[in-house]
Amino acid sequence: DAGITQSPRHKVTETGTPVTLRCHQTENHRYMYWYRQDPGHGLRLIHYSYGVKDTDKGEVSDGYSVSRSKTEDFLLTLESATSSQTSVYFCAISESVWDRGVFFGPGTRLTVL
Amino acid sequence: GDSVTQMEGPVTLSEEAFLTINCTYTATGYPSLFWYVQYPGEGLQLLLKATKADDKGSNKGFEATYRKETTSFHLEKGSVQVSDSAVYFCALSLTGANSKLTFGKGITLSVRP
Repeated sequence: DAGITQSPRHKVTETGTPVTLRCHQTENHRYMYWYRQDPGHGLRLIHYSYGVKDTDKGEVSDGYSVSRSKTEDFLLTLESATSSQTSVYFCAISESVWDRGVFFGPGTRLTVL
Repeated sequence: GDSVTQMEGPVTLSEEAFLTINCTYTATGYPSLFWYVQYPGEGLQLLLKATKADDKGSNKGFEATYRKETTSFHLEKGSVQVSDSAVYFCALSLTGANSKLTFGKGITLSVRP
């Protein structure tokens, strides 16, 4: 299995509070992604990174920001959490998406009350 | 934009039945195609892939053939087992730098003994 960890694995927070999720990889892969998984929507891309300090928006980026100051770490921040951001968040990594796909972390279950 | 459409679910089969899960795609370029599987309580795993037309991906008894003429990548298995119960996602990625995976909504398969 690819070396990807996510922290925390579970979090309950209140509306309006800031939340940061961390993804850490030991594979030295160039690309890192944040997806959210919701019933009826499958997986939707929030943000992705193609190198240190190089990031771009996905299809559901509103309300989220990211940072990547080191190759191995990709942080997802909810500046002011809302109930609509209750979801399971998956980090993924890849060195070459089109021919190898991506490898997923174990996920973080976030509940916003 | 690029998208993946999966058949509506859920699907319930008896053990040893034949499985087909439909997947069609729309893409502006020439995509690679993937199937991912998510077992209960786990993250997603790459099941199989195909990077060009007429390629057949296979793994764990599952197969899928990249059909450019019908823009399809249907997943098949000749004899399903209870342990195949999971959520299955079809996905595509265009070639080129900074590419990313676009997922379908997923379909839940339940196999009864």
